[in-house]
Amino acid sequence: NAGVMQNPRHLVRRRGQEARLRCSPMKGHSHVYWYRQLPEEGLKFMVYLQKENIIDESGMPKERFSAEFPKEGPSILRIQQVVRGDSAAYFCASSPPSQMNTGELFFGEGSRLTVL
Amino acid sequence: GENVEQHPSTLSVQEGDSAVIKCTYSDSASNYFPWYKQELGKGPQLIIDIRSNVGEKKDQRIAVTLNKTAKHFSLHITETQPEDSAVYFCAASPMFSGGYNKLIFGAGTRLAVHP
Repeated sequence: NAGVMQNPRHLVRRRGQEARLRCSPMKGHSHVYWYRQLPEEGLKFMVYLQKENIIDESGMPKERFSAEFPKEGPSILRIQQVVRGDSAAYFCASSPPSQMNTGELFFGEGSRLTVL
Repeated sequence: GENVEQHPSTLSVQEGDSAVIKCTYSDSASNYFPWYKQELGKGPQLIIDIRSNVGEKKDQRIAVTLNKTAKHFSLHITETQPEDSAVYFCAASPMFSGGYNKLIFGAGTRLAVHP
């Protein structure tokens, strides 16, 4: 059973460009979380999604950032008009449906965004 | 909202010594407290967790204690080995329920175990 798959692992963008980060949860998992990690800091919650629904986006900046988890395909974190402050590692995590959920979040290896 | 503070930020020990990392949380409603280990270039991985109805939990060389009254919890690693070197994060979940588990993380502790 493959783990949480994130791509790209590394992404370089110039200021003003768009960044798209993809996350495929573990098989059978229906909950997806996105976290951001700045250098030498902890993980900051951004958004929690279930299939086709954004449940909690309280940690996501109101402008330029959006997330989706469509019925088919991976979850996408989209950052428009990137700025240098968006440079960070973005981690996706997944967990199984409620009845099977022990509390553990299963993290991917992250996508490292560098904005020049 | 929940706030988690973690200390120390760096910890250096000799192989075989014990390591202790401490965290405090602010939201008394939090009921789930996991610890994650992050190796260089990797994603965090759960190593142990504890729920609010338990005061202590142990798994081989790793133990976690929880003091709900004081709102703090600690990670204890005994007989440390070089492969324990990593960044360790504590987290708290305000009201884990219905499958929704919004973890609030501490800032991390970089543990170095020297042979």
